[in-house]
Amino acid sequence: EAQVTQNPRYLITVTGKKLTVTCSQNMNHEYMSWYRQDPGLGLRQIYYSMNVEVTDKGDVPEGYKVSRKEKRNFPLILESPSPNQTSLYFCASSPGPGDEQYFGPGTRLTVT
Amino acid sequence: KQEVTQIPAALSVPEGENLVLNCSFTDSAIYNLQWFRQDPGKGLTSLLLIQSSQREQTSGRLNASLDKSSGRSTLYIAASQPGDSATYLCAVCSGNTGKLIFGQGTTLQVKP
Repeated sequence: EAQVTQNPRYLITVTGKKLTVTCSQNMNHEYMSWYRQDPGLGLRQIYYSMNVEVTDKGDVPEGYKVSRKEKRNFPLILESPSPNQTSLYFCASSPGPGDEQYFGPGTRLTVT
Repeated sequence: KQEVTQIPAALSVPEGENLVLNCSFTDSAIYNLQWFRQDPGKGLTSLLLIQSSQREQTSGRLNASLDKSSGRSTLYIAASQPGDSATYLCAVCSGNTGKLIFGQGTTLQVKP
């Protein structure tokens, strides 16, 4: 089944403890991106990747890092999480940046 | 700066009604427009993608139209069912980065 998977789905952590949210797609898509969804602010792009080893900032990249070492994986790294990063995170992928985008199931992160 | 607005924010209809959800955007220079469905606690499901050169797309009981010159898109749902209850999100892709600009969504409730 063609899909975008994210792990973990739920995570509660403490301020400053490094964490990684994984994202993987099995559709051989070149384009991948991360969004966060917050009440009243909607969905905003954090980072995107055009292809392996090609990443760039979205609208809200502060406090996040990404890497794209393989085409299928695009992990989101929070090196020192803070409470304002409590949010619902989505990974998405598509064949190219102008194509239909497919979203993962989301990761609900709480930072205390 | 591209802004996307969805009206109404919430809608409640009896089962069987045909309904229209509205989406407007401020910059007509778009690559495509995508409609998504989001169920509580779940990810985004892509419903329809309209490329900038297209006027409409259809999938089953769903029909989406695009009028770039007026900055508007509508999602028409025919013969609504309780299973259609969800939040519907409109997203515009404006640049070659693939970034989606989302509206705040319309939460639909279809009553049996």
